[in-house]
This record gives sequence, C-alpha cells and structure tokens, in this order.
Amino acid sequence: DAKTTQPTSMDCAEGRAANLPCNHSTISGNEYVYWYRQIHSQGPQYIIHGLKNNETNEMASLIITEDRKSSTLILPHATLRDTAVYYCIVRVRSGGADGLTFGKGTHLIIQP
Amino acid sequence: KAGVTQTPRYLIKTRGQQVTLSCSPISGHRSVSWYQQTPGQGLQFLFEYFSETQRNKGNFPGRFSGRQFSNSRSEMNVSTLELGDSALYLCASSLESSQTFNSPLHFGNGTRLTVT
Repeated sequence: DAKTTQPTSMDCAEGRAANLPCNHSTISGNEYVYWYRQIHSQGPQYIIHGLKNNETNEMASLIITEDRKSSTLILPHATLRDTAVYYCIVRVRSGGADGLTFGKGTHLIIQP
Repeated sequence: KAGVTQTPRYLIKTRGQQVTLSCSPISGHRSVSWYQQTPGQGLQFLFEYFSETQRNKGNFPGRFSGRQFSNSRSEMNVSTLELGDSALYLCASSLESSQTFNSPLHFGNGTRLTVT
C-alpha cells in the first residue's frame, strides 16, 4: 500500500469548512483513497473513498488532485461532533490479506 | 439502515477463561472482518469471513477463532485468555469480500475486553 502523510493535528471553528490534507505521492494507478475517522471510544467510521474523480456524499467531499499524489477531505460545516482522528488510507482493496491498517492520522479539533 | 451491532459492549474476564463476542453486520452485507485495537499496536487484522468461509487470517495464535452463520452474523472466540488480550475488538462488515473488492468497511463500536 502507498504511504500517506497527514498533519498530526488541526483546529477548525464550528460552522466552518474543515479541510484535511493527505499526501500519497507513491500511489499507484489501481489504488483507492479511503477516509475513515474514529471518535474516542467508538469504532472507526467510514467517510468516503475515491479513485480519480472527486466524490461527495452526505458526510463529506473528497478532492483528489489530477496527478493523484494528494487529496483533501472536506467537511463542509464542521460541528463539535466532528472532533475525531481522521485517517487517510491508500490501497487497492478495502481489506485483503493483511486487513486494513491505520497510520497516525490527523486529530481534528472543532472549536466552539 | 441499522449499523454493525456488537455485543457485549464491555466484558471483564480472568486469565485462562474463554470468551465469545458477537457481531451482526449491516443488512445485506456478506463479509465480516474482525480486528483487535490497542493503544500500542493500533488496528490489527484478525480474520475475514465471507459466505460462512474464512477468507483470510491475520497473524494471531490459534486461540483466536471465529465463524460466520448463514445469516452473515459472526462470532469470535478467544480461548485461554491472557492479560495481553485486553483490547477493543472491532467487527466490520462490507457488501462484498474486502479481499477482492473495494467495498468500504463499516465498523461497529466494538467490545472492550479486559482480562485480569
């Protein structure tokens, strides 16, 4: 799996858009970008994934650069409940022989 | 649609005992994966079941086992518990096998197992 780099932590004001960057410069052509988050004491939550095109769902938008070497997860109107650790993962399949693994992720803190 | 349900939420056992954890996947999902999460080791893959067959197994001893029923519900068993088995055990379901497809994993909130 391609290695990803994310900032350790970020702050965002409640009601504003939270933009979480992820670098994956070694991504290969058949690898997807997945985003998960984990709120303290809960299981990881799937947010969104994409291959080449930008994606949007009820939770967030995923913007992937044309060269696919980086992406940005956008939470359009952040709320206090969006405070969590956000993980960007790049892989061909969602699981596989070694399963899913998380790196350090970005600790997003939404400020009131 | 109801999410992944894991029971029990918390469990306290003593060394040497065995434990069974239960997972009900999202309706229509045929794949169930189990993970162990600890502060030191992070998320570690245990095994995946698809259509009642184990598809993949992580690097855990044979004390860890599982099964999947015809309704896709799954159970995980840990025998001869050790102190190091204390962890959050997570179940995740996906529409298709995560081994061969990119169907995202949907996790439950886990069972917090404490071994004393």
